[in-house]
Amino acid sequence: DGGITQSPKYLFRKEGQNVTLSCEQNLNHDAMYWYRQDPGQGLRLIYYSQIVNDFQKGDIAEGYSVSREKKESFPLTVTSAQKNPTAFYLCASSISGAAEQYFGPGTRLTVT
Amino acid sequence: DQQVKQNSPSLSVQEGRISILNCDYTNSMFDYFLWYKKYPAEGPTFLISISSIKDKNEDGRFTVFLNKSAKHLSLHIVPSQPGDSAVYFCAASGIGQGAQKLVFGQGTRLTINP
Repeated sequence: DGGITQSPKYLFRKEGQNVTLSCEQNLNHDAMYWYRQDPGQGLRLIYYSQIVNDFQKGDIAEGYSVSREKKESFPLTVTSAQKNPTAFYLCASSISGAAEQYFGPGTRLTVT
Repeated sequence: DQQVKQNSPSLSVQEGRISILNCDYTNSMFDYFLWYKKYPAEGPTFLISISSIKDKNEDGRFTVFLNKSAKHLSLHIVPSQPGDSAVYFCAASGIGQGAQKLVFGQGTRLTINP
């Protein structure tokens, strides 16, 4: 059963702590993406990766970091430098060159 | 600068009638457009797409229309069903954005009333 998994579904952290969100896909997709959604807003691109060991900044990369050591995995670290980390985070993947992206279920991060 | 805009935050439609969701864009380099449906606390699911070389694409109850000169696209759902109640996002990609980068609108919350 192919798909994208994100864990955990809900995550709570204290301000000042780094936190890593997991994203795994078994669709054999080359490209992976991280988005953030805030209430009443669309999805904003944080980072994306078109191939293993390569990634690019999206529109709102400040305060975030990623790695792409394996094709299946694209973890996102929300660092203490991110000023407003509380949000719903979505991971997606796509076939290389295709516009259609397929999304995971999301992780809701709350930082207090 | 909001390159993709969905100006209606919400829309309420009677079950069985047509739902029309609208989307405007400003970047003429966009050449591919997509609609996604999203339920609360879930990831968006891909619905339908259209290339800029077409002006219409149909898939069952869903039809997307593209008016390039007006930089406007719309999603028609007919007949509307209660399960269609969700937030709908339009998204665009194109040469200027990189082949795989999507720019999303703010979303329109569609409510289908029985």
